[in-house]
Amino acid sequence: IAGITQAPTSQILAAGRRMTLRCTQDMRHNAMYWYRQDLGLGLRLIHYSNTAGTTGKGEVPDGYSVSRANTDDFPLTLASAVPSQTSVYFCASSPGTGGGTEAFFGQGTRLTVV
Amino acid sequence: GQNIDQPTEMTATEGAIVQINCTYQTSGFNGLFWYQQHAGEAPTFLSYNVLDGLEEKGRFSSFLSRSKGYSYLLLKELQMKDSASYRCAVEDSNYQLIWGAGTKLIIKP
Repeated sequence: IAGITQAPTSQILAAGRRMTLRCTQDMRHNAMYWYRQDLGLGLRLIHYSNTAGTTGKGEVPDGYSVSRANTDDFPLTLASAVPSQTSVYFCASSPGTGGGTEAFFGQGTRLTVV
Repeated sequence: GQNIDQPTEMTATEGAIVQINCTYQTSGFNGLFWYQQHAGEAPTFLSYNVLDGLEEKGRFSSFLSRSKGYSYLLLKELQMKDSASYRCAVEDSNYQLIWGAGTKLIIKP
């Protein structure tokens, strides 16, 4: 793989079910992010990790959890999905924070909660 | 609060020039980014401004005025492939990106 990969590409999920969205990067980037993108709104940060072993809450963290056990992987878990979590989810990574470091995005996961 | 405003949609003609504006009010400022996003695809980096002035990169230029909380993206010699959404994002005092809702640019022949 090259770059940043998300899985699955799309998913239909029953409300109340648990779901983990996977994100893997092979660029050895320190910082990783999870965003959701909804129609008419900008990308909203759910959780982030500035380096392996640390995580932080973004703008809309409720109902989501993350872990960063190593540099490459940053999974996002929905413990009990609700319809309002229907969205397109983007994972991103960057070499670090600040100084205009470019973020690289995965292709997105389209999640529908019914 | 934090706020970033961009026009929702713009239309321009192939070969022409278009300017997409972005105004912002954020808690701190560590730079402003412009990203391009084609429908159904991931955002891709276009430009970064942290100092006032114009940054030129090929057909694309980006301008920043920190005192006015204002930026624009200038696209010259428009091509059909430039049809996309253009997103302005500000890096705040915590180095987190605050995103505008994006401007959908429609290019007509």
